[in-house]
Order: sequence, then structure tokens, then C-alpha cells
Amino acid sequence: AQSVTQPDIHITVSEGASLELRCNYSYGATPYLFWYVQSPGQGLQLLLKYFSGDTLVQGIKGFEAEFKRSQSSFNLRKPSVHWSDAAEYFCAVGRLKTSYDKVIFGPGTSLSVIP
Amino acid sequence: GAGVSQSPSNKVTEKGKDVELRCDPISGHTALYWYRQSLGQGLEFLIYFQGNSAPDKSGLPSDRFSAERTGGSVSTLTIQRTQQEDSAVYLCASSLGTGGEETQYFGPGTRLLVL
Repeated sequence: AQSVTQPDIHITVSEGASLELRCNYSYGATPYLFWYVQSPGQGLQLLLKYFSGDTLVQGIKGFEAEFKRSQSSFNLRKPSVHWSDAAEYFCAVGRLKTSYDKVIFGPGTSLSVIP
Repeated sequence: GAGVSQSPSNKVTEKGKDVELRCDPISGHTALYWYRQSLGQGLEFLIYFQGNSAPDKSGLPSDRFSAERTGGSVSTLTIQRTQQEDSAVYLCASSLGTGGEETQYFGPGTRLLVL
């Protein structure tokens, strides 16, 4: 069965520092991978997604993620964090569209940003 | 409307009462998901409506929970005989298609408090 883990429950970084949020998945097929962000009091919003091709994916708000098949990982990165990036981040995995299927979300990583 | 809407935005009820939560997906979206997010927790999948196929109810925590989707559009999540542990934010999402590659668009959620 597919699953997603986010090893870090909570991360604190200083504003301007670099950021990497980890995501590992367990899957028997080619995955579709997503990162969503949930800002305080807001709904979830898609940051970026990977389907195929270039393993480095660019998203909104200056985020990027790299798919590493050998490590079953899809880590999210940002070179310089802004205070407004403080939020909950969710990694998610979907299955190649051979039939109807649902997307599985990880438990989330809470990001705090120190001014 | 332009996005997914949910009503009510907040609901306070007494233990043992029934509640209905409504979700209006984006027009034309085939798939509809319900999730539960307890305080400080990740997304707990509840149910997935996938076009005209039978819904995936594998995430419903008990038989007190049920959901309908009428006419392939509006969905209602019903919780019967509410318990205090049902207190959470209930999120609805829709996507254009039903495959694992689809981006989900989330509503703002309904915050349920069971006293």
C-alpha cells in the first residue's frame, strides 16, 4: 500500500536561512508527488507537483523539490525563508492513472520562522 | 463560485446531536474528497467520490459518519450522535479528474466543536 512519511514534525529556521523539508514515500509504481502548504487560518494550497521528466520541480513562492527515485524521496527546499513561509507543509503521493485512485497525504511538517 | 466552498464555517453542537456539513466543489470537478484535521494533526482521509463510481469510504472512522454527493456536485457529510472526539476541522477538496495525478483544490473547512 502507498504511504507517505514526513520525518520532521516541526522545524524552526531563521528568516533568510535555507530550508529543506523531508518527504519519503512507499510505492510500487511510478508516483505522482505533491507538496501542499496550509498557512494559519487558510486552506491548503498546491506548491508544486511532479509527474515525470526533470526531477527538479519549481513551484510557487520560490519553492522547489527534487524527486530521487533511488531514495524514494521528494524533499522540498527553499534557499531563503521569509517570515510568511511559516505554515504547515504536507507531502502527498498519487498513483499512475490506471484506474480511479486517491491521493495519500503525509502527516505534515510545521514550520516556524524566527525573525 | 471560483473555488470550493464549505458551510457552515463553524459549528458548535452538543454531544449526541447530528450534524451536516456541506461542500460545494468547483463546477465540473469530477472527484470530491472529505478529510478531517484534528488540532495539530495531519489530514485524515475520510471518503472519496470518484465520478460515477462507488465512493471510497475506507477512511470513515465509524458508522456514525456518512456522506452523499448529489448530482455529481454538492456533497454532504453527516455525523450522527456526535462525540467530543469528533471535534476537528473538516476539509473538502475537489479535483478535475479522478486520477492520482490530479491537483486537489481545498475549501476553507468547517470547524466543528462538540461540547
